[in-house]
Formats: sequence, C-alpha cells, structure tokens
Amino acid sequence: AQTVTQSQPEMSVQEAETVTLSCTYDTSENNYYLFWYKQPPSRQMILVIRQEAYKQQNATENRFSVNFQKAAKSFSLKISDSQLGDTAMYFCAFMKGVGNQFYFGTGTSLTVIP
Amino acid sequence: DAGVIQSPRHEVTEMGQEVTLRCKPISGHDYLFWYRQTMMRGLELLIYFNNNVPIDDSGMPEDRFSAKMPNASFSTLKIQPSEPRDSAVYFCASTRTGFFYEQYFGPGTRLTVT
Repeated sequence: AQTVTQSQPEMSVQEAETVTLSCTYDTSENNYYLFWYKQPPSRQMILVIRQEAYKQQNATENRFSVNFQKAAKSFSLKISDSQLGDTAMYFCAFMKGVGNQFYFGTGTSLTVIP
Repeated sequence: DAGVIQSPRHEVTEMGQEVTLRCKPISGHDYLFWYRQTMMRGLELLIYFNNNVPIDDSGMPEDRFSAKMPNASFSTLKIQPSEPRDSAVYFCASTRTGFFYEQYFGPGTRLTVT
C-alpha cells in the first residue's frame, strides 16, 4: 500500500520570503510520480508541480521547486518569493507509474502574511 | 476549454433524502474520477470510469453510494439515503489515456446533510 505523510498541518511565511513544505511517502514501487497540488479557498485543485521518480533532476516551475530524495522517500516543495496568492492548502500526492490512482497526503495549510 | 464542470456547487439536504451530484468532464478525456474530501480522511478516491465503464469502485463507502456515466460527457454520483456523515466536498476529475498524471479537477460540490 502507498501512504503519503505531510507532517506540517499549518505553516506561515512572510510575503517575499521562502518556505518549504515537507512530504514523505512509502511505497515499494520503483516507477511512480509525485505531485504537489494547491487548493485555494475556491476549493479548486490546481497542479503546482510534478516529479517523475526516474528523473534525478528536481522539477522546477517558476517560483516552485522540489527537493526529491528518492532513497529517503522525501518530496518537499519550496516556494520562493512567497506571494499573498500562494495562501492555500497544499497537498502532496503519489501515483504509481502503472495506474491512475492518486494517494493524497492530509495537506498543509499555508498562510502568506503581508 | 471550460474545464471540468460540477453541479451544484453547494447542496444542503436533510438526512434520508436522495442527493445527486453531477459532473461534466473535459471534452476528449476518457477517464473520470470521483473523490471525496473530509477533514478526517482527506481526499479519497471513490470510483473511476474509463470510456464510461466503471473500472474501480472499491472506494465507494457503501451501497448507499452509486455512480453512473451514461455517456462521455456526463456522470452522476448518487447518495440514497443520505446521512450526516456524508457531509463533505465531492470532486470530479478527468484525464486522458497516457496522461494519468494530469488529472483536471472540477471546483467540487460541498454537500451538507443535516
């Protein structure tokens, strides 16, 4: 079975600062995908960034980057130059390479303070 | 594209009543997923369809829940009879074969059963 753990229920960061959200996972699979989704108050689930397990290079999308440590089964999200619009719930998710089911963590509520 | 469309956005009903949630996937997507989000359990996959056929319904909590996909552009999730513990946000998501990691979520339906 796959499990995804987000140990930080709530976090806050000053506007323009950098924040890192943690995620660990447990799987016996070798081929899989990892994701970070953002859920603002509108409730929409928005894909922030995706990482393929076979890729050693960490994924980056503008101000968002990940630190993927496959051996440690760790997948943290770094948000640089935090903006007020980054305030949201952030979910870490896992998907097997062969399959289409997400396994979500319980989420981290991020507040960006002006 | 309009994205995944869900209706209603909010539903309040009394215990024992039948509730029907609706979803229109993105045109051209052949996979459709129903998720439930609660504070206690986070995001859970209830059921998913491929080409209108239910593939995995192991996440459906009990016989009170049923889902159908009569055509490629419409799906329903029905709860009969509803109970207070069914109160949650229900998301529909869609994707296409070969792009499982790109699930597009709808805005969700917030269901409150009193």
